[in-house]
Amino acid sequence: DAKTTQPNSMESNEEEPVHLPCNHSTISGTDYIHWYRQLPSQGPEYVIHGLTSNVNNRMASLAIAEDRKSSTLILHRATLRDAAVYYCLYTDKLIFGTGTRLQVFP
Amino acid sequence: GAVVSQHPSWVICKSGTSVKIECRSLDFQATTMFWYRQFPKQSLMLMATSNEGSKATYEQGVEKDKFLINHASLTLSTLTVTSAHPEDSSFYICSAITGGYYEQYFGPGTRLTVT
Repeated sequence: DAKTTQPNSMESNEEEPVHLPCNHSTISGTDYIHWYRQLPSQGPEYVIHGLTSNVNNRMASLAIAEDRKSSTLILHRATLRDAAVYYCLYTDKLIFGTGTRLQVFP
Repeated sequence: GAVVSQHPSWVICKSGTSVKIECRSLDFQATTMFWYRQFPKQSLMLMATSNEGSKATYEQGVEKDKFLINHASLTLSTLTVTSAHPEDSSFYICSAITGGYYEQYFGPGTRLTVT
């Protein structure tokens, strides 16, 4: 199984940056790292993906460790709408772990 | 773009009946669609992978005769829960991809309650 390890929950205040870590020590050299988030009672939403280099898009940034055994999703300025469960995944078959529940306080 | 819809969004059925859930890619052709199940407070669990025009590949422990998947076109996949029982009550979510697995587009989910 493609296992990832994430903290169960994290908290942030609005407008502050949030760094969501993920360990994926068994990742292979060709596996992409994906991040999705899920709001209550909704399907997951794609956030970002990467292979080796750090990636940026309009939603977030993805910082990938040099050995690729861990990565960090960075929300530069958290908003209340960013409160969700964040999942990091890898391998072609997306196996969802338990994810990190992010709470954002006004 | 890249919108996936599911129908119905919620359904209540009696034990022993069958329920069909549709998953459509609205503005792209989906080479592969996935079906997930999610119980309350739990993560998503992949049930099966379906490719247009071929039989679905089921994950270990998922009964293929109970969860019938049909992927008749590049924009439509259906999941039929046959002879549903209360333990099948769950949130069913589909997703679709256009090529590689780099970006999955998820539907909004269907909440099934079996009474």
